Amino acid sequence: GAVVSQHPSWVICKSGTSVKIECRSLDFQATTMFWYRQFPKQSLMLMATSNEGSKATYEQGVEKDKFLINHASLTLSTLTVTSAHPEDSSFYICSAQTPGGAYQPQHFGDGTRLSIL
Amino acid sequence: EDQVTQSPEALRLQEGESSSLNCSYTVSGLRGLFWYRQDPGKGPEFLFTLYSAGEEKEKERLKATLTKKESFLHITAPKPEDSATYLCAVQGGSEKLVFGKGMKLTVNP
Repeated sequence: GAVVSQHPSWVICKSGTSVKIECRSLDFQATTMFWYRQFPKQSLMLMATSNEGSKATYEQGVEKDKFLINHASLTLSTLTVTSAHPEDSSFYICSAQTPGGAYQPQHFGDGTRLSIL
Repeated sequence: EDQVTQSPEALRLQEGESSSLNCSYTVSGLRGLFWYRQDPGKGPEFLFTLYSAGEEKEKERLKATLTKKESFLHITAPKPEDSATYLCAVQGGSEKLVFGKGMKLTVNP
């Protein structure tokens, strides 16, 4: 149980294009999903918290106009990297919180490797 | 500010050689401490949640323990398939998960 699917797993695109990443909870409903960014040999850094039916909450230093988040249903959240540039290249990972309260474990997707040329 | 420090950064063991991984933390009002396993190119896989000092949880060859300042992940008689990066994270009053940098475990056959 508690399976989270993330798509695509790998994206290579040219500078200036926009990229959409999908995160789906397959066997449970998630009112809260999270988006993280991970650099090699570094911690997962929280970018934003996505709540179904409301605006996402962004962490300090994360540009909300560059990283658009939509959580339109209880099983789907999307992250769109707009006008991507090489510095946006990274490993992006989503997670979904299992029901039962704010301190239930988060379950993670397998990540999206984004490479901007 | 909530912080998590994991040590050692990397550990090499022979198959069957037991050891422990350390996770030291500072957090304002601990709500939970989480252990995850991450394989290369994959997202973290949930292992355990510990909520209060003195709590212990086990899963196959892994056992997690918690004190007020640190958590240990004990690995008993590891196998090569236990090779992975193990992540520790804490959740405090802010409800955000704060991760350590992880500990890369390599188990040689």
